[in-house]
Amino acid sequence: DAKTTQPPSMDCAEGRAANLPCNHSTISGNEYVYWYRQIHSQGPQYIIHGLKNNETNEMASLIITEDRKSSTLILPHATLRDTAVYYCIVRVGASGAGSYQLTFGKGTKLSVIP
Amino acid sequence: NAGVTQTPKFQVLKTGQSMTLQCAQDMNHNSMYWYRQDPGMGLRLIYYSASEGTTDKGEVPNGYNVSRLNKREFSLRLESAAPSQTSVYFCASSGRGGLRNEQFFGPGTRLTVL
Repeated sequence: DAKTTQPPSMDCAEGRAANLPCNHSTISGNEYVYWYRQIHSQGPQYIIHGLKNNETNEMASLIITEDRKSSTLILPHATLRDTAVYYCIVRVGASGAGSYQLTFGKGTKLSVIP
Repeated sequence: NAGVTQTPKFQVLKTGQSMTLQCAQDMNHNSMYWYRQDPGMGLRLIYYSASEGTTDKGEVPNGYNVSRLNKREFSLRLESAAPSQTSVYFCASSGRGGLRNEQFFGPGTRLTVL
């Protein structure tokens, strides 16, 4: 799986959009970008994933550059409960019900400030 | 649904003692996983099970054994605990069909080996 690079920490004012960047310059054509987050001491939680088109769900939006070498996770209106470590993960394949390995880096610690 | 449950939540062992961490999921998932997370680090995969009756090594399997008891349960055993195994252990499962197929994580077991 491709390696990812994320800033170690970011701050965001409550109510503002949080934009979390991720570089994955060695991504292959069949690799997807996944985002998970880990709120203090809890197990990680899936947020969103995408291949090459922008994606949006009830939690966030994912913007992937045209060359797929980087992406941005957007939390449109950050709240205090969004304070967490955010992990950008690249892996092969997204469909099916089979098993797969997730490779976690150190992620970005997002602090939402009142 | 309870999702993924883990027992115990906390455990303190002495060097050389053995113990089993228990994990169960009620989502009818085929795949289950064990990760460990050391302070300030991302999660690392210890073992996983693609289906009932099969297990495979992950990134850091040394010092651990696993058992996929049935479709619901996947246990992790430390035969002779060492201080280097002090960590937070997370169990996860996956098996949602279609394009999403995210991993669902349990609340973790915090293990200290003295």
